[in-house]
Amino acid sequence: DGGITQSPKYLFRKEGQNVTLSCEQNLNHDAMYWYRQDPGQGLRLIYYSQIVNDFQKGDIAEGYSVSREKKESFPLTVTSAQKNPTAFYLCASSIGGQYQPQHFGDGTRLSIL
Amino acid sequence: GQQLNQSPQSMFIQEGEDVSMNCTSSSIFNTWLWYKQDPGEGPVLLIALYKAGELTSNGRLTAQFGITRKDSFLNISASIPSDVGIYFCAGRWAGSQGNLIFGKGTKLSVKP
Repeated sequence: DGGITQSPKYLFRKEGQNVTLSCEQNLNHDAMYWYRQDPGQGLRLIYYSQIVNDFQKGDIAEGYSVSREKKESFPLTVTSAQKNPTAFYLCASSIGGQYQPQHFGDGTRLSIL
Repeated sequence: GQQLNQSPQSMFIQEGEDVSMNCTSSSIFNTWLWYKQDPGEGPVLLIALYKAGELTSNGRLTAQFGITRKDSFLNISASIPSDVGIYFCAGRWAGSQGNLIFGKGTKLSVKP
């Protein structure tokens, strides 16, 4: 089946620790995105990538880092600099271009120990 | 920055009733999308709109791209229990570099 796979489903972070969230897609989509979702809030864009080896900061990039070494993969690292990392993280992809809808994975819930 | 105003924030309805929700923006949008999110899952695309005045249906769901290009509406007819969830509007405007802006969602509860 074609789709977007996020792993793990649940993740716990200790103080001062970096953690990496995985996002893989087999849809052959060019663009990939990371969003953060807090309770009662809409989705906020962290980083996006329109093409391999290139990515751009979104609205709330501080404390996060990404890489895009392969078309199908767009991992997100939540660094120790992110002081409030507890949230639901969603990865999305689209064929690319300004008018294409984004399709989402099932998310990773990150909590602090 | 640009924000979307989505209303109502929540709705409690009886099974079989029709539902209506909307999103408004202060800028002109060129794309409107409607998503549904179930608890603990990612949003699922319901309807995509690309032209002012466009009216598109997906089963019992109907969405419209407002003619002013600053709003969009989603209607659900004859609601059923599985319609429960959070509905998000999202849109693109000329200054968003192709990225989506999301409303804060409408939480729908359906009483059998």
